[in-house]
Amino acid sequence: QSVLTQPPSASGTPGQRVIISCSGSTSNIGNNYVYWYQQLPGTAPKLLIYKNNQRPSGVPDRFSGSKSGTSASLAISGLRSEDEADYYCAAWDDSLSGHFGGGTKLTVL
Amino acid sequence: QVRLQESGPGLVKPSETLSLTCGVSGYSISSGYYWGWIRQPPGKGLEWIGSMYHSGNTYYKPSLKSRLTISMDTSKNQFYLDLNSVTAADTALYFCATFWDGMAIDHWGQGTLVTVSS
Repeated sequence: QSVLTQPPSASGTPGQRVIISCSGSTSNIGNNYVYWYQQLPGTAPKLLIYKNNQRPSGVPDRFSGSKSGTSASLAISGLRSEDEADYYCAAWDDSLSGHFGGGTKLTVL
Repeated sequence: QVRLQESGPGLVKPSETLSLTCGVSGYSISSGYYWGWIRQPPGKGLEWIGSMYHSGNTYYKPSLKSRLTISMDTSKNQFYLDLNSVTAADTALYFCATFWDGMAIDHWGQGTLVTVSS
């Protein structure tokens, strides 16, 4: 059972907007930054969002992150078939340990 | 360009020690970053294991702390994972990675599968 809670699955049709949630607590999301990762099948994860809502260079602006209190969200707009992947939120904890969410499998219908 | 490459045995017997090496190229591990490990059991999600800075600051997953050692050799530009008393629950794809600012991970190795079985 992960400290950060994500829905196990999400889906959408091409062009749609999909939101994936991540719920934690004060000691992790509440007091620290949230990060989002995309993992395509058979590959290492890739950083999509850092410091709650910042995109590394090369990440399309279709991907956006937000945080409110002890929850965070990843939004993907203009959904494309190549977005089909597993998505993970992550956050540091005040107890000096790191956490990943359980992951959300995104299916593009 | 920072490149990471895991190496080590693909099969470890229960109760023995899992030892992995992460070779780093393109960057000196004594120059910055935290260097750490993440694992992913087959068909499951990511799990943070721990990380360390070249100065010696080390952070471990609490549930693994009693069995875990992360260390580095700056002269070889490598860092290491040792996990003792392994069980089948430690079977996973193990990634080495660079951390900055908490859980920001921008460089990953390709991962190495370690199976714990007799």
